[in-house]
Amino acid sequence: GNSVTQMEGPVTLSEEAFLTINCTYTATGYPSLFWYVQYPGEGLQLLLKATKADDKGSNKGFEATYRKETTSFHLEKGSVQVSDSAVYFCALTPGGGSQGNLIFGKGTKLSVKP
Amino acid sequence: EPEVTQTPSHQVTQMGQEVILRCVPISNHLYFYWYRQILGQKVEFLVSFYNNEISEKSEIFDDQFSVERPDGSNFTLKIRSTKLEDSAMYFCASSSGTSGRAYDTQYFGPGTRLTVL
Repeated sequence: GNSVTQMEGPVTLSEEAFLTINCTYTATGYPSLFWYVQYPGEGLQLLLKATKADDKGSNKGFEATYRKETTSFHLEKGSVQVSDSAVYFCALTPGGGSQGNLIFGKGTKLSVKP
Repeated sequence: EPEVTQTPSHQVTQMGQEVILRCVPISNHLYFYWYRQILGQKVEFLVSFYNNEISEKSEIFDDQFSVERPDGSNFTLKIRSTKLEDSAMYFCASSSGTSGRAYDTQYFGPGTRLTVL
């Protein structure tokens, strides 16, 4: 089946620290991979995505590379800010253009302290 | 910037009652989705809707659930007879369909928190 596993939170960092949130997946086909972010009191927003192996998604200083050999899509940022405090969700859509349902990981809460 | 809206933000109901959760997707989007998140658990896919019919549904989406697009703007999720375990945050999402469903960005609403007593 299809599933996503991401590191348990919460993660607490100081401002300007390096961030990594690990995400691995299991998929029967060739999935597309996504990171969504949820700020307090808001809905989920797409942060970045990658649709094929070795693609790198990037946005707002965040990056993630689609690694087929390790079935991973780890999220990284070189220098976090207080405003990055949120819950981050790794997700996939199963292989094949006809399936759009997102399968999510449990989410990782990030708190950044000044 | 266009956004998905949901009403109400919080709904409290008694077990066995019917509830309707409402969503207004982004206009000109073609695909619509419902997800739910039980407190402390994963966001789970419920159903997708395209061209006025269900295109995919999960095992969670049983006969107690139904979806409808009653007019050109609203997209609703009805739970016929609520159970305690239906308590969750329900998210609506929409996508344009321009890239193919697996690759499209889904835009989410802020959610409706459903509490079943």
